[in-house]
Amino acid sequence: AQSVTQLDSHVSVSEGTPVLLRCNYSSSYSPSLFWYVQHPNKGLQLLLKYTSAATLVKGINGFEAEFKKSETSFHLTKPSAHMSDAAEYFCVVSDSSGTYKYIFGTGTRLKVLA
Amino acid sequence: ETGVTQTPRHLVMGMTNKKSLKCEQHLGHNAMYWYKQSAKKPLELMFVYNFKEQTENNSVPSRFSPECPNSSHLFLHLHTLQPEDSALYLCASSQDGGRGNSPLHFGNGTRLTVT
Repeated sequence: AQSVTQLDSHVSVSEGTPVLLRCNYSSSYSPSLFWYVQHPNKGLQLLLKYTSAATLVKGINGFEAEFKKSETSFHLTKPSAHMSDAAEYFCVVSDSSGTYKYIFGTGTRLKVLA
Repeated sequence: ETGVTQTPRHLVMGMTNKKSLKCEQHLGHNAMYWYKQSAKKPLELMFVYNFKEQTENNSVPSRFSPECPNSSHLFLHLHTLQPEDSALYLCASSQDGGRGNSPLHFGNGTRLTVT
């Protein structure tokens, strides 16, 4: 069975400081992992994806995430937060079992302080 | 421009009305999905279609009726809804549905309010 846990429901950072959004997963199969961002009244936009290639994945807007199998983690980072990064972020896991199952985390709301 | 277009963006309807939500994807994907997003709840999968065939119905009440006439279009027909059905309804598509390693592409959603 698959599951995903986003460890923080809210994160606040100051503009220009690093961002760390934490995600742990469990999967019976080789997982694919994704991070999405959602701005108010918008759909979810793909930030990056891991699909068993390089473990350090670079995404859009300066975000990256590292797949760590031993820790079953896929944390999202950015070296320097920008005001426009304030949004909700979702970690998603799927597997290759062919069941159309994308399991979403409960989301982390990122606040960026001026 | 997301490649997945949903209309209308906002909808207010009474409990006795009948309305439909529309989704169109311009990405050449073969799988389409309806999700419900309510405040303070995880995203809920409602329906999945792969090559126009429904492959998932996640115990959704019959007052929600999906329709997928082709791989590019998806509808959600609504009738006799309840106030607790008020939510953001998101449509998504993916390539090569079922393998699990292709990402979902979302539309901007329809904000539904049931009065």
